[in-house]
Amino acid sequence: GNSVTQMEGPVTLSEEAFLTINCTYTATGYPSLFWYVQYPGEGLQLLLKATKADDKGSNKGFEATYRKETTSFHLEKGSVQVSDSAVYFCALRDAGGTSYGKLTFGQGTILTVHP
Amino acid sequence: DAGVIQSPRHEVTEMGQEVTLRCKPISGHDYLFWYRQTMMRGLELLIYFNNNVPIDDSGMPEDRFSAKMPNASFSTLKIQPSEPRDSAVYFCASSFNFDYNEQFFGPGTRLTVL
Repeated sequence: GNSVTQMEGPVTLSEEAFLTINCTYTATGYPSLFWYVQYPGEGLQLLLKATKADDKGSNKGFEATYRKETTSFHLEKGSVQVSDSAVYFCALRDAGGTSYGKLTFGQGTILTVHP
Repeated sequence: DAGVIQSPRHEVTEMGQEVTLRCKPISGHDYLFWYRQTMMRGLELLIYFNNNVPIDDSGMPEDRFSAKMPNASFSTLKIQPSEPRDSAVYFCASSFNFDYNEQFFGPGTRLTVL
């Protein structure tokens, strides 16, 4: 079945540090990949997405590249801010089979950024 | 648009009681999803509807859980009887198209069963 594995958290950084959150996946077919962010007390929001191999999703200074050869979709940001403190979820949407269209989420990674 | 609306935001109940969670999707969205989030199992899809019809309920954990969508603007998730292991955050999400468009999540209902 489909699965998404994220790096263990929590991740604690100082403001302006470089961020990487690793994400790898297992899926049948050619899934679409997503990063969602959950701020305290809120629901999940779509941060960025990529729908095919080598696509790069980007938003709010965050980037992630769909790497089919390594089945990865690592999230990066060059300079984090305190306001980026949140929980980040990697997810895939299967393109076929019995899981067609459903989202499968990773466990989430808690990011805390200190001033 | 106000986004996906869920109520209540917090619910504390005792084991054995019936719990009803409510969701109002974004107007015009034809898909509605119920998720459960726990530390142990992460975020799990429980059930989803298309045009008010349940399409896939394979994620519903037990017969104690049931979900309905009587019209396009309202859905409920009911747990009867509730158990402590049902304690979790329950999210409702909606989307316009299942395959291509993003799902918009509500703020969630934090359920605590004592």
